[in-house]
Amino acid sequence: QSALTQPRSVSGSPGQSVTISCTGTSSDVGGYNYVSWYQQHPGKAPKLMIYDVSKRPSGVPDRFSGSKSGNTASLTISGLQAEDEADYYCCSYAGSYIVVFGGGTKLTVL
Amino acid sequence: QVQLVQSGAEVKKPGASVKVSCKASGYTFTSYGISWVRQAPGQGLEWMGWISAYNGNTNYAQKLQGRVTMTTDTSTSTAYMELRSLRSDDTAVYYCARGTAMADFDLWGRGTLVTVSS
Repeated sequence: QSALTQPRSVSGSPGQSVTISCTGTSSDVGGYNYVSWYQQHPGKAPKLMIYDVSKRPSGVPDRFSGSKSGNTASLTISGLQAEDEADYYCCSYAGSYIVVFGGGTKLTVL
Repeated sequence: QVQLVQSGAEVKKPGASVKVSCKASGYTFTSYGISWVRQAPGQGLEWMGWISAYNGNTNYAQKLQGRVTMTTDTSTSTAYMELRSLRSDDTAVYYCARGTAMADFDLWGRGTLVTVSS
């Protein structure tokens, strides 16, 4: 049950696009289409942004999109806005009702 | 209002136990599971385990096996997480989150800070 691998930080200017990667193994990310992404602002609870690799819950802007290729999932945020600055965590089902999170990525909007 | 309301902050000594509650409202409690996720100060999210509110089935993270117990009380729509033999590195904010067992946590509590200190 090793944590998924995410870059520690990414940055972008307002209006630009950024992509955050999340690398696992064939036992988690690569083995199931159950990858989710969470946004967390300082001192707040995480918020679900993407589930089942690419589905958006109602209320989440379509600027947020998810994808997966092999053992790596990605979250892309287009049209960056100041309020997107936060920590982002990926999460994957790993079989046998076990779940694993990534280490988190700090997004800075320049 | 659909929400999860957690119990208040706790301070415990090493070796003690803590039990955190998570009361659900605004939805059918038994239609979902509850996962517990913790976050040590300045660190990332760590999945602790999951319980089905429908039948009480549980799955725990391997590193916590033997120290953690998750339960539910369907009469009050409340989930509980008990962690025993507390150590200083158990100091964290503990969150409950609604979801299936498939990593889709769509509703979160505000978190409960548990501090373990002598």
